[in-house]
Formats: sequence, structure tokens, C-alpha cells
Amino acid sequence: SQQGEEDPQALSIQEGENATMNCSYKTSINNLQWYRQNSGRGLVHLILIRSNEREKHSGRLRVTLDTSKKSSSLLITASRAADTASYFCATDEGGSEKLVFGKGTKLTVNP
Amino acid sequence: NAGVTQTPKFQVLKTGQSMTLQCAQDMNHNSMYWYRQDPGMGLRLIYYSASEGTTDKGEVPNGYNVSRLNKREFSLRLESAAPSQTSVYFCASSEALLIRTEAFFGQGTRLTVV
Repeated sequence: SQQGEEDPQALSIQEGENATMNCSYKTSINNLQWYRQNSGRGLVHLILIRSNEREKHSGRLRVTLDTSKKSSSLLITASRAADTASYFCATDEGGSEKLVFGKGTKLTVNP
Repeated sequence: NAGVTQTPKFQVLKTGQSMTLQCAQDMNHNSMYWYRQDPGMGLRLIYYSASEGTTDKGEVPNGYNVSRLNKREFSLRLESAAPSQTSVYFCASSEALLIRTEAFFGQGTRLTVV
């Protein structure tokens, strides 16, 4: 079964707006990762947050992690058309060797 | 660096045919993974190899076999292809166990079984 579940499934915004995507998971984790996938391409790693961290920044990306609620959010500030992609969260299931992905959020940024 | 290289990029098989998807990484990574991606399903783990010489089942291993040929190469074999195996297949690798580090993905193999 899939560990992470992203919400919403699809998001459409205007360029310059902020985009927020959420991820919920089921078991305890050691870390949570976010990936981006452009249409028809492989996944690209964006950011990794460990279970003892609450917030992490990378450029226009901000990730939060709430282990008590088993949830994470990815915020993309000042979005650009080039941010149009699908975004996936991934976790190690119960601290295992596996990396389990959610179904993703499809983000469309309109110019 | 090439990163993670998958071959072929596209393949059409007839039901019952067999084939092997190849994956190689040049980053000296220990761990390698095979995923399949279907519309609306995200990525599902088929098999993984935490280190050279070891392989383990993921979420959806039925109908597949794998071989970790050496540290660089991890192949996925379909012994008797079925239409349900029509999907995009991604290989990934990471330096250590994914509990610590990011994964690098290949560009995918788009497989159609007719």
C-alpha cells in the first residue's frame, strides 16, 4: 500500500502566486522527501527533511513536517510557469529500506 | 556524469513475450530500485537492492524478476509479459539506504504490452 498521499490531486494557479501541497503518511518515518516530475521525464529530488526537523528551506521551496499529525507541506513561493509539474512526497516506510511514493499533486502555473 | 541510464526508452511487446530492462548508474551508489508508474497511481516499488548481492521485493513484485549484476547494474526482467504490465518503468539509485539520502532517477522506459 502507498504510504504518502498528496493533497490536492491537482492545483492550478497564476504565475507569481504561492502553491501549497500537502502530504499525509501512515507509519513512523526517518525522513520525508519531495520530488518533482516534469511531463514524461524522470523524477528530480527537491528536498529532504528528517523526522527531527520541523521546517526546511531551499530557494523558493519551504517544507514543513509535523510528525504528530503525520503530515508535510511543500510551499512554492512566487511560482513560475516552469514550476508546472507533478510533485510527489516519498517516505521510508517505518524506517525501512524502501522509499514509498504518494500519488502526486499536478501543479499548473498559468503565465 | 550520465547518472542513471535506462535502456530501452520505448518497447512494445506481445503478450507472453519476455524482455529485460537495463539500468546502470555511474555514481558508485549502493542502493538501486525499480518502480512502475501508472496514471493516477504514483510510483510503486517493484524490487530494490540495498547493496550489491542483495535484492528484495517491493509493493508489486509479481510477474517480475531482478538481477543486481554488479554495483553499477540492476536489471528488471518480465518473463511472460501481460497487458497489466503496460506502464512506465523507472530505475533509481542512491548512495546509501534511502532513509538518509536522495534518490536519482533514470528517464524511464515506456512499455506497452499488446
